[in-house]
Amino acid sequence: SAVISQKPSRDICQRGTSLTIQCQVDSQVTMMFWYRQQPGQSLTLIATANQGSEATYESGFVIDKFPISRPNLTFSTLTVSNMSPEDSSIYLCSVAETENQPQHFGDGTRLSIL
Amino acid sequence: AQSVTQLDSQVPVFEEAPVELRCNYSSSVSVYLFWYVQYPNQGLQLLLKYLSGSTLVESINGFEAEFNKSQTSFHLRKPSVHISDTAEYFCAVKGYGQNFVFGPGTRLSVLP
Repeated sequence: SAVISQKPSRDICQRGTSLTIQCQVDSQVTMMFWYRQQPGQSLTLIATANQGSEATYESGFVIDKFPISRPNLTFSTLTVSNMSPEDSSIYLCSVAETENQPQHFGDGTRLSIL
Repeated sequence: AQSVTQLDSQVPVFEEAPVELRCNYSSSVSVYLFWYVQYPNQGLQLLLKYLSGSTLVESINGFEAEFNKSQTSFHLRKPSVHISDTAEYFCAVKGYGQNFVFGPGTRLSVLP
């Protein structure tokens, strides 16, 4: 399966700032996703990152708060904007070859907001 | 809409004992089913999957799960656990044309 690298692995940020998380895959993949995992909880899908077009956001997530880019088939970024303590979570990138194939995950970015 | 239930939030078990982690789902369409494992400070790793064919699927490290359509279940089992199996386990369901939905997770603690 694809090797997925996320940067940074963790960060501590100040309230009101923004952080961009990078997801790099070692091969071209059709589908890329961004998830949030709040402390002690399961995964919630933020959006599907679409190559060359706007991401598809799930209910409760908006582009102004979580802008996503996907310039090619191996790279995507997620920005967490105007952060507040409620944004403290693990953010995970995942990829899949096709829609109904298993997703494979990066190690995640552990984000704490003070 | 799809949903996944993992009835046990925590399962403590002694080393070399058998374990079963329960997963039930609901969906109005045909589904694909998955188990993922998350070790501390890591992302999720695919443990095993049911896409089609045999309802009993196995992983390389001794876990197995059986798809039971009538009971809408996909329970995970291992006949003898090791300390290294201590982790969080997530069941996930995907209906055709729909997003992945993850269960709330079960924390397996293997005790010496």
